Amino acid sequence: AQSVTQLDSQVPVFEEAPVELRCNYSSSVSVYLFWYVQYPNQGLQLLLKYLSGSTLVKGINGFEAEFNKSQTSFHLRKPSVHISDTAEYFCAVTDGAGANNLFFGTGTRLTVIP
Amino acid sequence: GAVVSQHPSWVICKSGTSVKIECRSLDFQATTMFWYRQFPKQSLMLMATSNEGSKATYEQGVEKDKFLINHASLTLSTLTVTSAHPEDSSFYICSAKPGEGTDTQYFGPGTRLTVL
Repeated sequence: AQSVTQLDSQVPVFEEAPVELRCNYSSSVSVYLFWYVQYPNQGLQLLLKYLSGSTLVKGINGFEAEFNKSQTSFHLRKPSVHISDTAEYFCAVTDGAGANNLFFGTGTRLTVIP
Repeated sequence: GAVVSQHPSWVICKSGTSVKIECRSLDFQATTMFWYRQFPKQSLMLMATSNEGSKATYEQGVEKDKFLINHASLTLSTLTVTSAHPEDSSFYICSAKPGEGTDTQYFGPGTRLTVL
């Protein structure tokens, strides 16, 4: 079975500073990994995903994430955050193409401080 | 592309009544739709998976008679919370996959249900 751990429930960061949101997963099979963002009172929006190939994945809004199989991690990074990046970020894992079970982490609340 | 809508966006109802939430894929056909529940400050928990034209598959601990799911067409799935109680108050989010073997779920904006 898959599981996802987001180590930080809250991450405050000053505007234009870099940020890293951590995500670790556990799985006995190969995985697909996702990062979603949720703005207040809205549904989830896909930021980026790792399916295969290059371990560095670039997404929308300047975010990127790196898949590290040996460390079972998929940390999300942005070199310079904006106020508009304030939101809840969820890491999720599924076990491959066609798999329906998407397991979510508990989320990280990113707060960008002006 | 890949837009999913939900209606209503929020609903308040009295205890004991039933509430229907609609989930539509606006620009693609969704063979599979999912319903999630999200409690305040918590993550999403999968409630059930529905395939068009067949019965939904419920996750362990989810009462199928309480949360009725109907996937009537390739663009519409409904979740009916029957005999709602205050503990059913939550944020309900649906998602949809464009086809078999695809890897990404696209999420609706969610429905906030408050049961008084």
